[in-house]
Amino acid sequence: GENVEQHPSTLSVQEGDSAVIKCTYSDSASNYFPWYKQELGKRPQLIIDIRSNVGEKKDQRIAVTLNKTAKHFSLHITETQPEDSAVYFCAALDSWGKLQFGAGTQVVVTP
Amino acid sequence: GAGVSQSPSNKVTEKGKDVELRCDPISGHTALYWYRQSLGQGLEFLIYFQGNSAPDKSGLPSDRFSAERTGGSVSTLTIQRTQQEDSAVYLCASSLEPTGSAGELFFGEGSRLTVL
Repeated sequence: GENVEQHPSTLSVQEGDSAVIKCTYSDSASNYFPWYKQELGKRPQLIIDIRSNVGEKKDQRIAVTLNKTAKHFSLHITETQPEDSAVYFCAALDSWGKLQFGAGTQVVVTP
Repeated sequence: GAGVSQSPSNKVTEKGKDVELRCDPISGHTALYWYRQSLGQGLEFLIYFQGNSAPDKSGLPSDRFSAERTGGSVSTLTIQRTQQEDSAVYLCASSLEPTGSAGELFFGEGSRLTVL
């Protein structure tokens, strides 16, 4: 089955700086890679996703890149703000149809 | 309903008792997923349903765990003879897209289970 690894587990950034979270996956047939944000005490919510036929996707301050050859994808948050503080999960849809999540990254944006 | 609804939101039980957790997905969503999230941990896949069938049950931690879905809507996750290590938040999510397709998961608020 799919194995998704996510790094770092915690990330502390100054407000205004950029944050980068990286994930690797094992199933070369995986073709869909979403990112979810979970604020403290709340449910995870989709923030951006990318499909395997695209190398990069951007939505305002958030961007995701995908390298299918290397089987890794990354989330980039620019001009971070305090409200970006949350746990971020990457995920990969494996060839069995399951969405497997990474272990999560706790992002703390300090003013 | 407007979103995925889960009940109970909180459940405290004694070791050895059985518990039932309920998930009511968004109307029209055919795919339904159960995940488990332990304190400060990631999202552990348990099981998913496409309609009423569960193609893959391999994520269930043990034979004490079972799940069913009826009428292509409400799902119930049952844990028999609960153990302390079962304590976690159980999250349900539904998707408009069939399982195996790329589609957004809409999560419920979760059911927090504490086994004493």
